[in-house]
Parts: sequence; C-alpha cells; structure tokens
Amino acid sequence: EADIYQTPRYLVIGTGKKITLECSQTMGHDKMYWYQQDPGMELHLIHYSYGVNSTEKGDLSSESTVSRIRTEHFPLTLESARPSHTSQYLCASSDRDRYPYEQYFGPGTRLTVT
Amino acid sequence: AQKITQTQPGMFVQEKEAVTLDCTYDTSDQSYGLFWYKQPSSGEMIFLIYQGSYDEQNATEGRYSLNFQKARKSANLVISASQLGDSAMYFCAMREGIGGGGNKLTFGTGTQLKVEL
Repeated sequence: EADIYQTPRYLVIGTGKKITLECSQTMGHDKMYWYQQDPGMELHLIHYSYGVNSTEKGDLSSESTVSRIRTEHFPLTLESARPSHTSQYLCASSDRDRYPYEQYFGPGTRLTVT
Repeated sequence: AQKITQTQPGMFVQEKEAVTLDCTYDTSDQSYGLFWYKQPSSGEMIFLIYQGSYDEQNATEGRYSLNFQKARKSANLVISASQLGDSAMYFCAMREGIGGGGNKLTFGTGTQLKVEL
C-alpha cells in the first residue's frame, strides 16, 4: 500500500491569501508530481521533481511554485490565491527502480478560493 | 504530442456482468506505457493495470484485463464480474518511453462507471 499523504484534505480560503499544500511520502521515491484536476475532468501535470533540488514545470501552466529540499517532501505554494485556482490538487510519487514505475497518488486537496 | 481519448463519459453495468471501457491513444513513439487508474468519489487515484508497448500478451490483474490492440492504438480495460465497489471514475493514461526516466503521464478525460444491482 502506498504511503503518500496530503494536507489539508479540504481548504476554503479567501482571495489574496498565501497557501501551501503539503505532500509527503514515506516510500523513499525520488520522483514526485503535482496534478490539477477540475471536477469530473482529466488530470493535468503542473509540476514534477526527479529528486532533491530538482523541480520542473509540467504541461499545464500554473501560478503555483514547488520546492524539493527533502526526498520525502514536495510542497506546493500559491502566493496569492484567486477563484481560478479552485480545483483539486493531487500529489503523486514513483520509484525509478521499480518497473513499471507506476505513480502512487495521495488523497488530494480540494481547494476552494472565495 | 501524445493524446488519450476516452469516448464514453458514462457507463452502466449490472452487478456480476463484464464491462469494457474504451481508450485510444495517439503517439509517434515506438516505446510507451499505458496505465489504467480508478478514482472513487473520495478522490484518490488507484493504479489498476499496466501495458508496455512491447508486451506481446495482454496484461491481467485479477478481475482487470487490458485488451491491447497496438495496430488500432487502443487499450481497452475489461472488468469482469462487476461489483458495486467498482463504481468510480476510470482514467486511461500514457507515458512516453517504457523506462522510468521520464515518467510523465498524459491522462484521458475519464469514464464514469456505475454498477447497478
């Protein structure tokens, strides 16, 4: 069973606030990912990391930023939340040494910006 | 660019029956991997099954099997003996390359499956 955690699970916050969505995994996976998913829609990759101090932007442009200073931790930050940021954010990780390198997902954070 | 197409927004199946969820893909790569994930209403994504582009046999995992037709670029998920707990959103996804180096996934729009008594 995958051990990947996200907090908070639900967040309602006002416009202009700074928020950080937490993601941690205890599996020692080097690769981690952030996806954005609107209700009933597909997932879009917004950030990924191949290891400590490595971060890249994904296919969907996002105003969020990420950091990876520890293997197990991959937080996502929005400096100034807007209603357009309302969505579900899913964190995932994968093991580069374990074929087929499937991604394990956390439970997600449902963000609502009012 | 990769693309995944799932043409069934919603499907219904009777309990204990089999159901096929369609997935077609488009890629110019020779090496790629195809995944199916299940997303219950609680929101997490659960990995179900994987097929590599060079795998000659169709993948199977318990009640899940993947009907891989490479020439048609399709990778349909077959769920046998449906259970009420199978009611969820199902996503097909593709990765370029079969190695773990890149591992970026492109997802389809999903199929909402409802299992009925």
